[in-house]
Amino acid sequence: AQSVTQLDSQVPVFEEAPVELRCNYSSSVSVYLFWYVQYPNQGLQLLLKYLSGSTLVESINGFEAEFNKSQTSFHLRKPSVHISDTAEYFCAVSMHSGGYQKVTFGTGTKLQVIP
Amino acid sequence: EAQVTQNPRYLITVTGKKLTVTCSQNMNHEYMSWYRQDPGLGLRQIYYSMNVEVTDKGDVPEGYKVSRKEKRNFPLILESPSPNQTSLYFCASSMDRIFNSPLHFGNGTRLTVT
Repeated sequence: AQSVTQLDSQVPVFEEAPVELRCNYSSSVSVYLFWYVQYPNQGLQLLLKYLSGSTLVESINGFEAEFNKSQTSFHLRKPSVHISDTAEYFCAVSMHSGGYQKVTFGTGTKLQVIP
Repeated sequence: EAQVTQNPRYLITVTGKKLTVTCSQNMNHEYMSWYRQDPGLGLRQIYYSMNVEVTDKGDVPEGYKVSRKEKRNFPLILESPSPNQTSLYFCASSMDRIFNSPLHFGNGTRLTVT
């Protein structure tokens, strides 16, 4: 069975500082990896995804994540955060199981950007 | 605009009073799913549907029912709500046949059962 571990439930960081949100997964088969972001009082939105190819993927707002197969990790990073990045971030793993898309979410990391 | 619409956004009810949370998507997606979000537990899948008239249990189905009579709609039914079903609920959809496709989420329904 697949599982997703987000090691930090909350991450406070000062504005313009770098941040890394950690995500590890366990699965015995090939997976697709996603990061979703949830702003207050909203649903989850896709931030970026790894399907295949280059192990480094980027989003349009400066986040990036690197797929590390040997360490089964997919950590999310941003070199300089803004106040507007304050949100909860969820790592998710998708795999083909029994003919449908099985998606497992981590428990989330709340990013608090401090002015 | 492509979207998943849930109603209501907020709902307060009493134990045992049947309720329905509606979900509708306008993207012609085959796959739809319901999740509940609880602090420290992330999102857990309640039920999912691969297509019309095809539904199956997720990880936490107890106390819930769903139906998929039309492709666009996937209502969540609580026949006899209990306080442990107080939670934030999300409906989501995706293109089923392309299993690497992301999920599109509604804005959530915050349910309180007293």
